[in-house]
Amino acid sequence: QVQLVESGGGVVQPGRSLRVSCAASGFTLSSYAMHWVRQAPGKGLEWVAVISYDGSNKYYADSVKGRFTISRDNSKNTLYVQMNSLRAEDTAVYYCAREMATQDAFDIWGQGTMVTVSS
Amino acid sequence: SYVLTQPPSVSVAPGQTARITCGGNNIGSKSVHWYQQKPGQAPVLVVYDDSDRPSGIPERFSGSNSGNTATLTISRVQAGDEADYYCQVWDGSSDHHWVFGGGTKLTVL
Repeated sequence: QVQLVESGGGVVQPGRSLRVSCAASGFTLSSYAMHWVRQAPGKGLEWVAVISYDGSNKYYADSVKGRFTISRDNSKNTLYVQMNSLRAEDTAVYYCAREMATQDAFDIWGQGTMVTVSS
Repeated sequence: SYVLTQPPSVSVAPGQTARITCGGNNIGSKSVHWYQQKPGQAPVLVVYDDSDRPSGIPERFSGSNSGNTATLTISRVQAGDEADYYCQVWDGSSDHHWVFGGGTKLTVL
């Protein structure tokens, strides 16, 4: 079935880096724009970044611009986010989400992976 | 940047109708999407493009959008509808940002 599975979360010290991955199955990843959305503990949803279906366009939330890089490998059906210069306020569950083909809504979500930035 | 405003909480008795609002400047000119999130789970899309439902979402979930307010309406509320609900739009005016409202906790009394 259509599925997204994140991995790579964990505990990391402030200022360090971490890469989180999202494996897609049950659909053709290369046909869809993909996003990262995060949720800090007890807080609401925050959009992080988007990458177009072919990787040619990328946009970021102001809170992560210059520190995070979204990428994809369609041959491996995998989405990534490289997170550098991590801060305590980046602590959150990170979800990957598929953007609908005809709407700017997110119709498929992964289960999320927790990233904790702490010394 | 574009701001979406939701009430923090809404309470309703079983069988009644719940209405959750999402305010934004001229939001009626945008497509609004709604998500349901239960504790410990990923969000689920329940309404897109103001009033359309994805397959598998009950007809009890409906939406509307006009002026400065979009509304998610849940008819014949059930205990299983208790969750956080988020509205979302695309803000093309600020470097292609996607925006979420702060979320509304729906409590079924």
